[in-house]
Amino acid sequence: EPEVTQTPSHQVTQMGQEVILRCVPISNHLYFYWYRQILGQKVEFLVSFYNNEISEKSEIFDDQFSVERPDGSNFTLKIRSTKLEDSAMYFCASNSILAGGVEYFGPGTRLTVT
Amino acid sequence: QKEVEQNSGPLSVPEGAIASLNCTYSDRVSQSFFWYRQYSGKSPELIMSIYSNGDKEDGRFTAQLNKASQYVSLLIRDSQPSDSATYLCAVKRETSGSRLTFGEGTQLTVNP
Repeated sequence: EPEVTQTPSHQVTQMGQEVILRCVPISNHLYFYWYRQILGQKVEFLVSFYNNEISEKSEIFDDQFSVERPDGSNFTLKIRSTKLEDSAMYFCASNSILAGGVEYFGPGTRLTVT
Repeated sequence: QKEVEQNSGPLSVPEGAIASLNCTYSDRVSQSFFWYRQYSGKSPELIMSIYSNGDKEDGRFTAQLNKASQYVSLLIRDSQPSDSATYLCAVKRETSGSRLTFGEGTQLTVNP
């Protein structure tokens, strides 16, 4: 069964460093998303991506964040200068419009900023 | 007002009982409704999706939707210890590419 994959599973970085989180969505899906979940809090939307551009972003997704689909399979989230409060689980999800808007989530990347 | 609000937990039921999870949402134009299960440290896993008023059954799970009351629920029959997890209610404005808005989740424990 197709699934969303994410790498790395855990990333530790120092404050101020840049990180890139990688995702491979399900191959025939057209919509891609990043969510994050701070420990003990709810899952929060960051950004959605469709047709090679951002379709929606939340207030969390400020100038330090960017997304890219560098090739036909990968979808990346870059955080330019990490802050302590960026420590969270980051989930990638993808959705096929044919699936009734159902989003399938990857296993997540745990980002720890020290 | 929270966009998606779930009944406060934690919820504890004995094995074999029915677990009832509730969710209300504030955005009247919401069209798609989902229940995800999340084990500690893991990603959300889809349990049910529902789009029309009424009930939808899938095995031991039944989702109920009432758009007029802006209410969606999930019933788990014959609860098993393996059902112990946090259940997330999520809504979407459309059936296509719009984002999911999650509630804070209800932690369910099924006691053997």
